Amino acid sequence: EVQLLESGGGLVQPGGSLRLSCEASGFSISSYAMSWVRQAPGKGLEWVSGIGGSGSSTYYADSVKGRFTISRDNSKNTLYLQMNSLRAEDTAVYYCAKEYYYDTSASSWFDPWGQGTLVTVSS
Amino acid sequence: QSVLTQPPSASGTPGQRVTISCSGSSSNIGSNYVHWYQHLPGTAPKLLIYRNNQRPSGVPDRFSGSKSGTSASLAISGLRSEDEADYYCAAWDDSLSGRVFGGGTKLTVL
Repeated sequence: EVQLLESGGGLVQPGGSLRLSCEASGFSISSYAMSWVRQAPGKGLEWVSGIGGSGSSTYYADSVKGRFTISRDNSKNTLYLQMNSLRAEDTAVYYCAKEYYYDTSASSWFDPWGQGTLVTVSS
Repeated sequence: QSVLTQPPSASGTPGQRVTISCSGSSSNIGSNYVHWYQHLPGTAPKLLIYRNNQRPSGVPDRFSGSKSGTSASLAISGLRSEDEADYYCAAWDDSLSGRVFGGGTKLTVL
């Protein structure tokens, strides 16, 4: 069964850092692009970042560009999101998702998604 | 303010047909595929429709998608209580070089 399991969320002060992990099972992430999507309390889904299968191509939403870094360790079948200079507005449940293609593509979609991990930025 | 515009809510009675709209622009829906996701709070979002009108295996044919110009829609026929959830449209945006979502539509089965 294809599954994604996020971890690493928690409470962090404004300006702090946190690294999220997403461990995949049932498939090899080396064959697919992957993304992070978040949902702030009471808000809708917001795409955060994506990475191609080789890891050489990365994409970010303007809201996190320069503060967040997406990466992958194909040998550990794990996706990461390093979050620095965190702000209160970064408070959200963060989901990782598998894309359909090897490279991030305008045609691609997310399936499946993980259960999410909660990040709370507060003093 | 989401790039794609959806009505915040929709409702229907069991057995009815409901439609959820998603409006965008030439840089997203007008030039790229639209995908739809179903989300129950506290759970993993689920792919419902991909490439405008394709259903993944396991999704009932009560769910259908369509696209015309810069708008798309999701139709749910034979409404059931378990369809009560949040529904999101999504597409790639050429101007932003990234993915965009609609604000979500909360479907209530009366």
